[in-house]
Amino acid sequence: QVQLVQSGAEVKKPGASVKVSCKASGYTFTSYDINWVRQATGQGLEWMGWMNPNSGNTGYAQKFQGRVTMTRNTSISTAYMELSSLRSEDTAVYYCATSHDYNALDYWGQGTLVTVSS
Amino acid sequence: SYVLTQPPSVSVAPGQTARITCGGNNIGSKSVHWYQQKPGQAPVLVVYDDSDRPSGIPERFSGSNSGNTATLTISRVEAGDEADYYCQVWDSSSDSYVFGTGTKVTVL
Repeated sequence: QVQLVQSGAEVKKPGASVKVSCKASGYTFTSYDINWVRQATGQGLEWMGWMNPNSGNTGYAQKFQGRVTMTRNTSISTAYMELSSLRSEDTAVYYCATSHDYNALDYWGQGTLVTVSS
Repeated sequence: SYVLTQPPSVSVAPGQTARITCGGNNIGSKSVHWYQQKPGQAPVLVVYDDSDRPSGIPERFSGSNSGNTATLTISRVEAGDEADYYCQVWDSSSDSYVFGTGTKVTVL
């Protein structure tokens, strides 16, 4: 069965970077885009960008351009999202998700809480 | 950028019908997806491509899309339907996904 398992919670200081991983299993990793979505506490969902694990091509939301980098390691079926120059407003749960069966985000990781605090 | 507007909250009695709207400029020309999110959990896809249901989603969940409004309808509402619901589209002008503002459904 399709599964996306994310890395554990992180605590970072303002100005630092964080790298969240998303390990895929149960399907061919390189066949489906990985998207990243975040959610601040009590707030809505915010799309950050996508990555094609086969080509490495990416597309980022304008808000995050210059600060986010999405990469992958196909040998271990893992996608990564790195966010730099962290500020308190980046405190949120970060999700990876993919469109496997349908033309929408039908499989999601469990989420990774990133806390930015001095 | 493309904006999707949802009502902040919808309240409905058990057994009744809940309708959640998602407003956007000419949204009828786009494919709309809907997600259900319960506290502390990842979102779950409940409707995709305006009106299709993923496997395992009850028939009580249905969707429509026309003009400037898409609608998620939950028939015969149950206590377990209490959650936040988000609409989503792909905005080709910015090559990005856009989520709606979210609607909290409360079952009275």
